[in-house]
Amino acid sequence: VQLVESGGGLVQAGGSLRLSCTASGLTFSNYEMNWVRQAPGKGLEWISYISTVGTTIYYADSVKGRFTISRDNAKNSLYLQMNSLRAEDTALYYCARDPMGYYDDSGYYRPEYFEDWGRGTLVTVSS
Amino acid sequence: SYVLTQPPSVSVAPGKTARITCAGNNIGSKNVNWYQQKPGQAPVLVIFYDTDRPPGIPERFSGSNSGNTASLTISRVDAGDEADYYCQVWDSSSEHRVFGGGTKLTVL
Repeated sequence: VQLVESGGGLVQAGGSLRLSCTASGLTFSNYEMNWVRQAPGKGLEWISYISTVGTTIYYADSVKGRFTISRDNAKNSLYLQMNSLRAEDTALYYCARDPMGYYDDSGYYRPEYFEDWGRGTLVTVSS
Repeated sequence: SYVLTQPPSVSVAPGKTARITCAGNNIGSKNVNWYQQKPGQAPVLVIFYDTDRPPGIPERFSGSNSGNTASLTISRVDAGDEADYYCQVWDSSSEHRVFGGGTKLTVL
């Protein structure tokens, strides 16, 4: 399994950037995906989740209304559209894969942890 | 929002046992996951569902969770275990995933 992020770079505050994550070595459409970021010298921050077909999406409060997660299963790709960028959005952005969910007697079970990570793409927002 | 608290740093001598804690309100009712991150590298899952190890993770890594504290224990610590360790849970009330602030493990 390989996850490769791209699209990072230097952008001015208020600008936009679109990140991509391309998956290989797995059936991408079977897996729920996430974006997690890490500011320089800081800890990990989960920022967004998307279900296998994109019908369920969640965002951290810090990015809600500014960032949009999406996916294209035909292209084995995950995206993060980032608008109205702020200096505090400066970070290394990782895509992270959930384990495969499954159905049991209670319905669909979604494991809530990150089984695989990419190496990240760096976003720098200048003020 | 749900808050996880970790000690910023833990130090241990080689061959000894390191214990890293993760505190949260009634965390024992949640599934806790742990990640190891070495400098310049992506995080790696070392414990999921409180106590389970992914394939390839040594038995020296174990987890526990009860009451208001979860723990990651690393026995027979060696220099290769020096890293930042993060706990993580899912907060069902917000549908958000939450990380602790991270603990830097130093092998003396």
